[in-house]
Amino acid sequence: GQQVMQIPQYQHVQEGEDFTTYCNSSTTLSNIQWYKQRPGGHPVFLIQLVKSGEVKKQKRLTFQFGEAKKNSSLHITATQTTDVGTYFCAGNSNYQLIWGAGTKLIIKP
Amino acid sequence: GAVVSQHPSWVICKSGTSVKIECRSLDFQATTMFWYRQFPKQSLMLMATSNEGSKATYEQGVEKDKFLINHASLTLSTLTVTSAHPEDSSFYICSARVQQGYEQYFGPGTRLTVT
Repeated sequence: GQQVMQIPQYQHVQEGEDFTTYCNSSTTLSNIQWYKQRPGGHPVFLIQLVKSGEVKKQKRLTFQFGEAKKNSSLHITATQTTDVGTYFCAGNSNYQLIWGAGTKLIIKP
Repeated sequence: GAVVSQHPSWVICKSGTSVKIECRSLDFQATTMFWYRQFPKQSLMLMATSNEGSKATYEQGVEKDKFLINHASLTLSTLTVTSAHPEDSSFYICSARVQQGYEQYFGPGTRLTVT
């Protein structure tokens, strides 16, 4: 079946370091969405990418959608404690939302 | 592991009819299931939280008589949209959690279109 693989599962970083999570779909997606879920909270929509090769920025967050519309990445520059949480990608294919497993961003004490 | 399925994937119904959406945890037992609604390019909006064997807890503004939720077993929750209207057209997503403090696992969603 259709899958979206998201890696890594966890990433431990020092505050100020960068963070990246990657999503790879087994099928071509019509669009991909990114969500952030704080510990104990519910996912909050961050952005949707639709066009092949699209790059969008939100302050320190950079989102990319691959040329083949099968992969995507989220990069956070100079992480802060407020960035802690789990970041999910969710790809739209055939009217279904296929979720990645999420990448948990952990700031080292 | 940790797979959540929803059925149907999409449904078109006529105004005034009722639609049932199923959410199943396939390889784990979920004490809690959540139902969300999503409008285009917007966040998931939590509609209700259901714990197995008890009544669902609805978020403010969600009509409990219109959106009937049943969580009869540890692997199945259903959402019934009663007397559907075009404004109920949306993407409905469920998630399941083993217990508090554990991750939520999301279903693929059900796209409801009411004509």
